Amino acid sequence: DAGITQSPRHKVTETGTPVTLRCHQTENHRYMYWYRQDPGHGLRLIHYSYGVKDTDKGEVSDGYSVSRSKTEDFLLTLESATSSQTSVYFCAISENGRMEQYFGPGTRLTVT
Amino acid sequence: GENVEQHPSTLSVQEGDSAVIKCTYSDSASNYFPWYKQELGKRPQLIIDIRSNVGEKKDQRIAVTLNKTAKHFSLHITETQPEDSAVYFCAANGAGSYQLTFGKGTKLSVIP
Repeated sequence: DAGITQSPRHKVTETGTPVTLRCHQTENHRYMYWYRQDPGHGLRLIHYSYGVKDTDKGEVSDGYSVSRSKTEDFLLTLESATSSQTSVYFCAISENGRMEQYFGPGTRLTVT
Repeated sequence: GENVEQHPSTLSVQEGDSAVIKCTYSDSASNYFPWYKQELGKRPQLIIDIRSNVGEKKDQRIAVTLNKTAKHFSLHITETQPEDSAVYFCAANGAGSYQLTFGKGTKLSVIP
């Protein structure tokens, strides 16, 4: 597996609380992505980054924000978690000039 | 944006038989089509991909075919084994971008 880690791996939080998920890579890849995976929906892109401080919205970005202050870290923040954001969150990376995306191990988030 | 349809949603085959999973896409500018395998509780793993300048690609027991005119691509697994049991996802990069849009997945069960 590519050098991608996600933290935490599991989290339970209450509705209305802020949550930050971290994706860390050791590959020095330019592109990083956040997806959520829900039964019956496959993988849906939340936000992506094409460089430090360069980010853009994906298909399901409402309720989420991201930041990338270093090449190796991409943070996903839920400002005020809702039950609809209960999901498994995957980070992925890809090299500049290459299309292949490699996924991290995932974070299972439960909002009660 | 890109829309990817995948079918069937579930597929059961006898060990040793072949399995075929089909995907259609909507954006004629898509030029990259990967397939991922996801075992239960694991991250999606890239197993094979194809670019729009190629009609077919093989890697041992798996192959992918692409029909640009009809905007569909397929995954073929021959001589299936129990370890092929997993959920398979297809994807396409709308507008030739780095972003991927995924199908909703096919759960393949290989019966010994």
